[in-house]
Amino acid sequence: QVQLKESGPGLVQPSETLSLTCTVSGFSLTSNSVHWVRQPPGKGLEWMGIIRSGGSTDYNSALKSRLSISRDTSKSQVFLKMNSLQTEDTAIYYCLSRFAYWGQGTLVTVSS
Amino acid sequence: DIQMTQSPSSLSASLGDRVTITCRASQDIGNYLSWFQQKPGKSPRLMIYGATNLEDGVPSRFSGSRSGSDYSLTISSLESEDTAIYYCLQYDKYPRTFGGGTKLELK
Repeated sequence: QVQLKESGPGLVQPSETLSLTCTVSGFSLTSNSVHWVRQPPGKGLEWMGIIRSGGSTDYNSALKSRLSISRDTSKSQVFLKMNSLQTEDTAIYYCLSRFAYWGQGTLVTVSS
Repeated sequence: DIQMTQSPSSLSASLGDRVTITCRASQDIGNYLSWFQQKPGKSPRLMIYGATNLEDGVPSRFSGSRSGSDYSLTISSLESEDTAIYYCLQYDKYPRTFGGGTKLELK
């Protein structure tokens, strides 16, 4: 069945770069898009970006200058990199496909 | 960017009540509107897609509708398991945008 799982550091220092990995199973990245969505504690959902089946990307306007999404199709992995992290980037980060299949999310705390 | 204005932000209702949550789109999004349910500590769950289509496994008491730029999620008879936060999402244009959420509680 379709599964997605996020992994990465739980704690990131301010001004540093966040690197997250989404490992998928049950579907092919060359046939399906993967999105990233984040949710600050106690707040709403924010769409971050997408990497399409063909490898093209689109990003949230507010994050575009700091955000990069890439993939390794041979490993069924999608990567999120976001630089210049601040405390307001503290959130649960989700990867998902077709908005029907979500990972469990990974909490990233930005703090010194 | 398309703004999705969701109302109300919170709602208290009794078991068996009919409940309606609404999202208004700032631009035409056709029927490219989904609804999600999120319970504490869980990932969001897709409930409705294409404004009116029920995702597999979603109880039939949930329904979606559209009137112009207003999109609604209705629960015909509220059950205790429906207490959650609900979000709309437009997926017509990039960037995709969510509504602010509606917290549904039992009275």
